[in-house]
Amino acid sequence: DTEVTQTPKHLVMGMTNKKSLKCEQHMGHRAMYWYKQKAKKPPELMFVYSYEKLSINESVPSRFSPECPNSSLLNLHLHALQPEDSALYLCASSQGSSGGAYNEQFFGPGTRLTVL
Amino acid sequence: QQQVKQSPQSLIVQKGGISIINCAYENTAFDYFPWYQQFPGKGPALLIAIRPDVSEKKEGRFTISFNKSAKQFSLHIMDSQPGDSATYFCAAKKSSGDKLTFGTGTRLAVRP
Repeated sequence: DTEVTQTPKHLVMGMTNKKSLKCEQHMGHRAMYWYKQKAKKPPELMFVYSYEKLSINESVPSRFSPECPNSSLLNLHLHALQPEDSALYLCASSQGSSGGAYNEQFFGPGTRLTVL
Repeated sequence: QQQVKQSPQSLIVQKGGISIINCAYENTAFDYFPWYQQFPGKGPALLIAIRPDVSEKKEGRFTISFNKSAKQFSLHIMDSQPGDSATYFCAAKKSSGDKLTFGTGTRLAVRP
């Protein structure tokens, strides 16, 4: 299995809702990432988990809360979002910086989030 | 020093032509340079990557050229096809690190 899966594909939520995005990989990768991508822009890194521990938080607002239950799963909990948070949220995975080679990142298809 | 500059912003090529996208970086600690292809509504897909110890890498119709002294690298798509129409992102990172620095992207349209 060489893919990263994400659910749901689309999500519409109000500013008072709580929702979660899910990501899964079965490549034995030990690093997982959340990115945010606005239209016509490159992906922006939000969080990195390495060996199930949060290693990078790119000063993301607390209304985004990541969770890594195990090495195959990554969640992003959403609460009290703003309309400007509407974007494509991408998950990626890689062997991890201690895994040798070049630690290539593989992306999932993304969740298209709309905040009303 | 973390920037990767990418040009052009958009590119229109006739079917069968050569598409060329250029990137330049500043951080000399970068030692891994991947290119990603992204179709609308999809996640970026790793297309091809190069290390600075080689000047060129070819995979099928896709070739990366790398100029270490100029800190520049480029993607050439030979015999461009309408199915190549997508957004292409160059990127750079330290091989030992987790952070990818992306270029701003190039929207390629290949006309039939």
